[in-house]
Amino acid sequence: DTGVSQDPRHKITKRGQNVTFRCDPISEHNRLYWYRQTLGQGPEFLTYFQNEAQLEKSRLLSDRFSAERPKGSFSTLEIQRTEQGDSAMYLCASSLEYKGDQDCYTFGSGTRLTVV
Amino acid sequence: DAKTTQPPSMDCAEGRAANLPCNHSTISGNEYVYWYRQIHSQGPQYIIHGLKNNETNEMASLIITEDRKSSTLILPHATLRDTAVYYCIVRSLYNFNKFYFGSGTKLNVKP
Repeated sequence: DTGVSQDPRHKITKRGQNVTFRCDPISEHNRLYWYRQTLGQGPEFLTYFQNEAQLEKSRLLSDRFSAERPKGSFSTLEIQRTEQGDSAMYLCASSLEYKGDQDCYTFGSGTRLTVV
Repeated sequence: DAKTTQPPSMDCAEGRAANLPCNHSTISGNEYVYWYRQIHSQGPQYIIHGLKNNETNEMASLIITEDRKSSTLILPHATLRDTAVYYCIVRSLYNFNKFYFGSGTKLNVKP
């Protein structure tokens, strides 16, 4: 499979627990993005990486959220002390940026988080 | 990035052309128009994009008005599998960092 992979597809957790999601981008893509999507809404930007550097974070990304991309390949998104409002689909996307030009994003299928 | 306005939902008969409109009246000269769609429980899928000229690929056609303030995505022969939410997004040539998704148009293709 050469697309963007996300794991797990579904996660149910109790309020207050920590969760971690993983994203494996398309292998040659140097940019990786995280989005969040709540029911009935379009995806909202959270953060993005150029290789291993996290270059931008949305105000939606509170202190309880942290994202990493340690070797410039896969990325993890951790949510600490989950709240019910964190329930959403978390989408990862990747793209190739080369000399200022950029391919379109490719999205993964997302991780659906339910906080109970 | 410029905001876009789309109708919340549309119905289309299977086999007919589906024409999905999008208004982007505040678009600036360096902004592209992108279309993505999202089938239930999946991530958004790229369809097509354009700057000024009309574009066509194996999935769809994109018609951009001369003043660039609106565009139409055309699915020439809609199938049941085209039922999805379609997002029209404008994105700066100089800020490829993120997309602003609106609420999109829910296209229902009916037999």
